[in-house]
Order: sequence, then structure tokens, then C-alpha cells
Amino acid sequence: QVQLQESGPGRVRPSETLSLSCVVSGASIIDQNKYWGWIRQSPGKGLEWIGSIFLDGTSSYKSPLKDRFAISADTSRNEYSLRVTSVTAADTAVYYCAAVRRFGDYVSSWGQGLLVTVSS
Amino acid sequence: QSALTQPPSASGSLGQSVTISCTGSASDVGYYDLVSWYQEKPGKAPQVIIEHIDKRLSGVPDRFSGSKSGNTASLTVSGLRTEDEADYYCSSYADRNSLVFGGGTKLTVL
Repeated sequence: QVQLQESGPGRVRPSETLSLSCVVSGASIIDQNKYWGWIRQSPGKGLEWIGSIFLDGTSSYKSPLKDRFAISADTSRNEYSLRVTSVTAADTAVYYCAAVRRFGDYVSSWGQGLLVTVSS
Repeated sequence: QSALTQPPSASGSLGQSVTISCTGSASDVGYYDLVSWYQEKPGKAPQVIIEHIDKRLSGVPDRFSGSKSGNTASLTVSGLRTEDEADYYCSSYADRNSLVFGGGTKLTVL
């Protein structure tokens, strides 16, 4: 069973950089049948796809976000990360890391979610 | 990549059926047969219930069914039960290992 666990700060100040990590167990992040995503949910709102990274290291992002968001992976630790620069209150959300099953392209496993609040 | 459009709310009486729509574009829902549906209950991460438009995940009751026509996908819940009350999200593959989600529909069982 694939398990994902997010970690990072619960609060960041406006204009600072947010860094989140996701440790994966029960599967390898170089599994060719999966790609690894970040999804967020602002308070009271719906799910928003942020982006993903695949085993070859290529990452892709939701178009409006790509300038401030970066996803990277550390295969030796079987984890991947999300970096968000110049955060604003609009980045306040529960951030989920998620395993996306290829050839079906659905989220098969979710982390428990991490609430990040942007506030001074 | 605009969010897929779902009605914010839907409701039905116990035992009845309800259908939730999910409208995208010719670049996502209309192009790929890779529409999924998720059920989210309070305090928990969403769980996939349907993938590939109409394939139920293991353990999902056959009361849940999916379909697609053009740029619109639909989730139908038949024989509504109280435990079906939840938020439902659709998603579609949108090229280059990216997904796009709907805004979510809150299903109320009357």
C-alpha cells in the first residue's frame, strides 16, 4: 500500500518561500507507472492541481502557477518536494501530495494533507 | 487549464438517483477518456471512486456509475444512501502528466 506523508511549516509570512516535502513509502518514486503530484485546497474551495514530477525528473505545472512553483525529487530518499516563492494569502491552503496512476491518470493515493497558512 | 465546471450542490432523497455533471473542454474531458471521480468526506482526503470515465474502483458499490458525452462527464448515484452524502470532484487528464479538477459538488441526501 502506497503511503505519502507531507511535511513542512504550518505558517509562512507573505513574500517568503514555502518548502514542502513528501516522503513516499510502499512504492518507488521511479515507478514508471506513476507520477507524483501536488494538489492544494484553499479553505472552503475545491481541489487545485499544482503540478507533478515523473521518474525521469521532468516536471509540469498548471500554467498560471509555473513561475512561482517548482517540484523536485530526491530518489535516494524516495521523496519529492514543492517550493513556492513569493507567497501571498491566496496560497493559504491544505497541500496534498499524491500518487497519480498512469494509464488511468487518477490519484490513487493521497497524503493526509498539510494546512499552510500565509500570514504575518 | 481552466477548472472543470460542476454544479456546487446536488440533492436527492433516500433511494432516489442523482446525476452530477462535469463540463470541460475539447482539450481535456472531450479529448481524453481519462475522467475520474472522487468522493471527499469531512476531514479526510478524497478517494477515487471512478476512473477511465466509468470504471469503478474495487469496493465501490455499483450504485455509482460514470459516463461521458462530448465535453461533459457525469456521475450518477443510484439508490441514494445517507453515507453517500459527501463532496464529489471530477478530474480529467490534461496533457503532460497534468490533471484538472472540477470545483466540486456537495451532495445532500434528503
